[in-house]
Amino acid sequence: DTGVSQDPRHKITKRGQNVTFRCDPISEHNRLYWYRQTLGQGPEFLTYFQNEAQLEKSRLLSDRFSAERPKGSFSTLEIQRTEQGDSAMYLCASSRVGDEQFFGPGTRLTVL
Amino acid sequence: GQQLNQSPQSMFIQEGEDVSMNCTSSSIFNTWLWYKQDPGEGPVLLIALYKAGELTSNGRLTAQFGITRKDSFLNISASIPSDVGIYFCAGSSNAGGTSYGKLTFGQGTILTVHP
Repeated sequence: DTGVSQDPRHKITKRGQNVTFRCDPISEHNRLYWYRQTLGQGPEFLTYFQNEAQLEKSRLLSDRFSAERPKGSFSTLEIQRTEQGDSAMYLCASSRVGDEQFFGPGTRLTVL
Repeated sequence: GQQLNQSPQSMFIQEGEDVSMNCTSSSIFNTWLWYKQDPGEGPVLLIALYKAGELTSNGRLTAQFGITRKDSFLNISASIPSDVGIYFCAGSSNAGGTSYGKLTFGQGTILTVHP
């Protein structure tokens, strides 16, 4: 399978804990995006990378959120000191520059 | 910031009927995309549109990029039960020939098809 993959698919954590999600893009895609989706809403942009450079961050990405793509391949999204409001589906997408984005299956985060 | 208004919010139709949904924006987009999302899964790309006025088909799906660059619509003909899901429009803006990359999504249209 050569699609976008995300791990884990589900994560349940207690408030105040740190969590990290991983995204593996389609191999020839140099752009990687993170979105967050809450129930009943469309995905909202968080940040994106071109190769290893983080080119844009949304105001939604508070100081507790950090994303990396150290070698321009997979990416990680870390949330520190999780809050109940962080509960959402975290989606990763990848593309070539100027091309359409393909999404992974998402990581469902539940913060208790 | 940019906002996309997608309508209708939900539709309940009989199998075999045609469906139409649309998206309008307060600002110009250079790319319009339509995605379908099943519960617990990521959005799946259906159609991508890159030119104002463009009309593109993918099987029973047809989408158009509005002339004003501020709207798009999606039609599904002869609906079948597996068309059930949430349909999202999304737009992106380019500047200086370089895509910003960020997609702005509509709120989604929930489609229910009765056999």
